[in-house]
Amino acid sequence: NAGVTQTPKFQVLKTGQSMTLQCAQDMNHNSMYWYRQDPGMGLRLIYYSASEGTTDKGEVPNGYNVSRLNKREFSLRLESAAPSQTSVYFCASSIGLAGPTQYFGPGTRLLVL
Amino acid sequence: RKEVEQDPGPFNVPEGATVAFNCTYSNSASQSFFWYRQDCRKEPKLLMSVYSSGNEDGRFTAQLNRASQYISLLIRDSKLSDSATYLCVVNSETNAGKSTFGDGTTLTVKP
Repeated sequence: NAGVTQTPKFQVLKTGQSMTLQCAQDMNHNSMYWYRQDPGMGLRLIYYSASEGTTDKGEVPNGYNVSRLNKREFSLRLESAAPSQTSVYFCASSIGLAGPTQYFGPGTRLLVL
Repeated sequence: RKEVEQDPGPFNVPEGATVAFNCTYSNSASQSFFWYRQDCRKEPKLLMSVYSSGNEDGRFTAQLNRASQYISLLIRDSKLSDSATYLCVVNSETNAGKSTFGDGTTLTVKP
């Protein structure tokens, strides 16, 4: 039982490049989330998917797009990376939108030069 | 004002000490409350839920005060392994049930 997995673990991009962060969960959870965490700060919600087939914006969606590919997978795409998107990105899942518990992946560390 | 506020610390305490963290929330419609633990460069993990009557899990005690809109976490007999950042998390019906995370309180337990 792997829980929540994310790929890649690390990535360096140049300004303007694009990339997709992958996330998958094997707990049969309905809801999935993408957060970013900047140094010394808490988690900020980028996008979430309450259930398969739905996605909604969170607190900081600008510069990102998401796809809920199926119940297991939720990807995050940066179309044109900017230095301000340098951060650690966490994917999480929960049984339903109200949790109660969110399970997090190990994170993707992204550096945009 | 942030929806969930925590004292960032850092809290530096000796082994065996008792330490308490507070967290205030601004949305009176908040429904459920949690403490997560995040080790350095790792993902957050649920430490414990916070119930209205207060709850205890070993050396950890969580309290909720709805009237004053704060929750607390008390750690007794601190261990070196308790060193981490503790995140306060609040779910609100008015936020479609989504979680709002505090910025975290950093604890370092020293020998």
